[in-house]
Amino acid sequence: AQSVTQLDSHVSVSEGTPVLLRCNYSSSYSPSLFWYVQHPNKGLQLLLKYTSAATLVKGINGFEAEFKKSETSFHLTKPSAHMSDAAEYFCVVQGSARQLTFGSGTQLTVLP
Amino acid sequence: DTAVSQTPKYLVTQMGNDKSIKCEQNLGHDTMYWYKQDSKKFLKIMFSYNNKELIINETVPNRFSPKSPDKAHLNLHINSLELGDSAVYFCASRALGGETQYFGPGTRLLVL
Repeated sequence: AQSVTQLDSHVSVSEGTPVLLRCNYSSSYSPSLFWYVQHPNKGLQLLLKYTSAATLVKGINGFEAEFKKSETSFHLTKPSAHMSDAAEYFCVVQGSARQLTFGSGTQLTVLP
Repeated sequence: DTAVSQTPKYLVTQMGNDKSIKCEQNLGHDTMYWYKQDSKKFLKIMFSYNNKELIINETVPNRFSPKSPDKAHLNLHINSLELGDSAVYFCASRALGGETQYFGPGTRLLVL
């Protein structure tokens, strides 16, 4: 069985400052991990994914995440927040049957 | 051009009614999924179909019945709707051997 914990339900940053959204996972084998973003009243968009290749993964819109097996973490970062980054972010782990288990989400607010 | 589409986008109905949500993908994928997102934004898998065969059936009331007429479509029929069925329902698809699931825009169901 696998699970994922997003450590912060809300994160607020000022525009132009770095973003850090934290995620820890639990899995009995080497997992595939994803970050999805959901803008208000919109669907889910894939930001980036880790599938046992490079541990530092670059995604769209300047986001990246680092897979750290020793810490069982997959935190999402961005050097400089933009107003358009305000959204709900989901950390996701993929199970053996390829089904996705979602974290509880982190609401990112970007202040002007 | 839409990869994964859902209809309707919004659905408002009375308790006790029967309704269907349709999902179509034009990506040539073999596997399709239904997820439910509750009012707290938590996403949970409901069903998975691979080439029209049911693969995953999580603990979902039997009032929910998925139907896959062909591998490009996975419809969700809900009988005797209850207030607690109000949620956003997402369809997703994945290629055989692929890691990434592509999500539809969601169907916002409100049961009154």
